[in-house]
Amino acid sequence: GENVEQHPSTLSVQEGDSAVIKCTYSDSASNYFPWYKQELGKGPQLIIDIRSNVGEKKDQRIAVTLNKTAKHFSLHITETQPEDSAVYFCAADTGRRALTFGSGTRLQVQP
Amino acid sequence: EAQVTQNPRYLITVTGKKLTVTCSQNMNHEYMSWYRQDPGLGLRQIYYSMNVEVTDKGDVPEGYKVSRKEKRNFPLILESPSPNQTSLYFCASSRGQRTDTQYFGPGTRLTVL
Repeated sequence: GENVEQHPSTLSVQEGDSAVIKCTYSDSASNYFPWYKQELGKGPQLIIDIRSNVGEKKDQRIAVTLNKTAKHFSLHITETQPEDSAVYFCAADTGRRALTFGSGTRLQVQP
Repeated sequence: EAQVTQNPRYLITVTGKKLTVTCSQNMNHEYMSWYRQDPGLGLRQIYYSMNVEVTDKGDVPEGYKVSRKEKRNFPLILESPSPNQTSLYFCASSRGQRTDTQYFGPGTRLTVL
């Protein structure tokens, strides 16, 4: 089955700096790679996703890049703000119409 | 408001005492699933359902049961809970395609003593 590895497990940045979270996956058949943000006490919420037919997607301060050959994808957050502090999960689709999630990255943005 | 609801939000129980965590969605979604979240392990799928009366095992199904008698509801049943099932549980729903957004409930924190 699919295996998704996520790094780093924790990340601390100063407000205004950029943050990068990286994930690798194992199943070359995966075609859909979403990123979810989990705020304290809440369920994960989709923030951005990318499909295998594109290499990069951007939505305001958030961008995701995908390298299908190397089987890795990354989340980039620019001009970080305190409200970006949360746990971020990457994921990849599997054959069961399910998602395999990474282990999560706790991002702390220091004011 | 489109949402996934779970009850209870917090539960402390003892080993062997059967419990049910309810999940309901109001978006007419076909696909529903249960995940557990443990530190360092991310979200792992327990069971999923592609439609009414259709359920199947995810990655960590041992010790759990589910049912899907109605489209909107997908309860998670622990018939004989054990301490290793202490975890944070999330229900999620989506329209059903692989690339559809999954909408998560607020979570149920379960402690089994």
